[in-house]
Amino acid sequence: DAGVTQSPTHLIKTRGQQVTLRCSPISGHKSVSWYQQVLGQGPQFIFQYYEKEERGRGNFPDRFSARQFPNYSSELNVNALLLGDSALYLCASSLVQVNNSPLHFGNGTRLTVT
Amino acid sequence: DQQVKQNSPSLSVQEGRISILNCDYTNSMFDYFLWYKKYPAEGPTFLISISSIKDKNEDGRFTVFLNKSAKHLSLHIVPSQPGDSAVYFCAARASNFGNEKLTFGTGTRLTIIP
Repeated sequence: DAGVTQSPTHLIKTRGQQVTLRCSPISGHKSVSWYQQVLGQGPQFIFQYYEKEERGRGNFPDRFSARQFPNYSSELNVNALLLGDSALYLCASSLVQVNNSPLHFGNGTRLTVT
Repeated sequence: DQQVKQNSPSLSVQEGRISILNCDYTNSMFDYFLWYKKYPAEGPTFLISISSIKDKNEDGRFTVFLNKSAKHLSLHIVPSQPGDSAVYFCAARASNFGNEKLTFGTGTRLTIIP
């Protein structure tokens, strides 16, 4: 079975530009979450979507937005990129219908802002 | 406010010996704890988890212990193998149906010496 897939794997953008990252969850998983990981830190929660509705939002500015599609895939958008947005962006999916189910992560998108 | 702390940035262990990774948390609402392993250029891989109603969970070479009164958990790997060399993240969640937000520690880099 395919795991969580993310695209693209790497991306280089310039300050002020906009970026869209994509994620396909594991088949049957209806919850998708996004995390940002900067070097030397653990992943930081950005968003969670379940059944196409936002279920949680981390401490990130409004430049960050996301959505989930009817097939449960998801996109993360970041506007007006700053140098500090350079990070590994991780998508995770889970069987939220099952109590205490773990998150399964994709390999991430490495975003570099110059 | 670091709610999940991994105070050892790195740990070196001889192959065949026991590796013990530690994690402390401050939020008493956390009731589900997970350990993830991360290789470079890959996303975190789920290893093992424990609910707050238990104090121990075992899966093969991996055992997680939870001490709720001390707000402390540990991951034991025995025997340690060279393939265990990776960064290990502790994560915690305050369970609420549909809430998938994980709070991560900063990670411990484990090196297994052949």
